[in-house]
This record gives sequence, C-alpha cells and structure tokens, in this order.
Amino acid sequence: DAGVTQSPTHLIKTRGQQVTLRCSPKSGHDTVSWYQQALGQGPQFIFQYYEEEERQRGNFPDRFSGHQFPNYSSELNVNALLLGDSALYLCASSPVGGMMTNTEAFFGQGTRLTVV
Amino acid sequence: AQSVTQLGSHVSVSEGALVLLRCNYSSSVPPYLFWYVQYPNQGLQLLLKYTTGATLVKGINGFEAEFKKSETSFHLTKPSAHMSDAAEYFCAVIGYNFNKFYFGSGTKLNVKP
Repeated sequence: DAGVTQSPTHLIKTRGQQVTLRCSPKSGHDTVSWYQQALGQGPQFIFQYYEEEERQRGNFPDRFSGHQFPNYSSELNVNALLLGDSALYLCASSPVGGMMTNTEAFFGQGTRLTVV
Repeated sequence: AQSVTQLGSHVSVSEGALVLLRCNYSSSVPPYLFWYVQYPNQGLQLLLKYTTGATLVKGINGFEAEFKKSETSFHLTKPSAHMSDAAEYFCAVIGYNFNKFYFGSGTKLNVKP
C-alpha cells in the first residue's frame, strides 16, 4: 500500500500564476482533506472532500478551490498566487465519510510550494 | 471551539534524558487528541492518539501521552531520548464535527549527544 501520495513534491511559481496540486488517497479511503503549513506553523485546514463534494471549508479565500474525482483522488487549485501562499501543502485521507473518520487519517509527504 | 496550545517552540534535551513536550487543549466536546511527528521536508506521521478508554496512550518509538481532563492536557513523554527523535512534534485535536484537525504551532525537539 503506497499510502497517501502527493505530486509534485516541490513547485516554484510566480506571483499571479495558478497552481494545481494532486493527491491520491490511501487505498480504501474516500475522504480527502487539504492543509496548508506555513513555515514555522502548524497545519491549517483548507477544505475536505467526500463523495466528490466539498464538505467543509476552513478560513481560506475563494482563490483556493478543489475537486475530488470518482476514484477519490483530489486536486487543490490556487489562483492568483501571492507570496504568502508559499507553504507546505498536506493532503490527508480517511476511510468512509462520516463521524469519527479523521481518527484514522493518514497524511501525505506534502507539496512544497514556493511563490516568487 | 477547539484549539491547541503547545508550550515551548523549542525543547533541547541530552541523549538518554527524559523528553516532555507539553500540550493543552480547549474543546467544547470530549476531545480526540493526537500527537504527530514531522521530520525535515516530510509529512506528518502519527505517533499516538487518544479517542476513548485508557487515558495513558502508548505510541510508536517509545512515546506515550496521558490525557488529563481536569488539566485539559495531553503531554507527550519518552523516558530516554534518542538522536533519531530530533524532529518537530505537533499536538492536534479533532474538531466538533470530527471533520478537521486543529493543530498546535509545534515544538522542535533537539537532542544533544
């Protein structure tokens, strides 16, 4: 089992550009959450997808959007990049949506995004 | 509302010494509590978690944590530090609707030879 896989591992973008990050959940998991971890901080919840719909959203602007595919993989899109979007973006997957799913969450290795 | 406070952004111990990383939480419902470890340029690895049952939880690599409701604490300990324990440690609580983690700001553990 490959666990949670994220791609790419590193990315450099210019201010104003758009970026897409990808996540493949652990086998058997159908819920995907995205977190942003700025340098020196703990991860902050961006949003969660279940059954191809955004189930919950954190305090992030609409520039941050996502998608979940029928195979449960997910994408995180960020438009109009700002320098402050530079961070490690973590994907977490959980089994069967519903209560208590996140007690079984597994995190990927993350995508390091640098905006210049 | 849920929140986590980790006291001490940096902790330094000698190899073989006790490791104590502090975590206090705020939760409006019975909490589910977690400790994760992050090595440089890596994702998060689960060390241990408390959901229900025994309040002393044992995890991987010799770590353990005790849930103390009266103190709203979930401190992480290890009797004898190893050089390989040097990493950043995050305490987290699950939100009210069990859909997201609230993380502390992390504690970087340095282990001196």
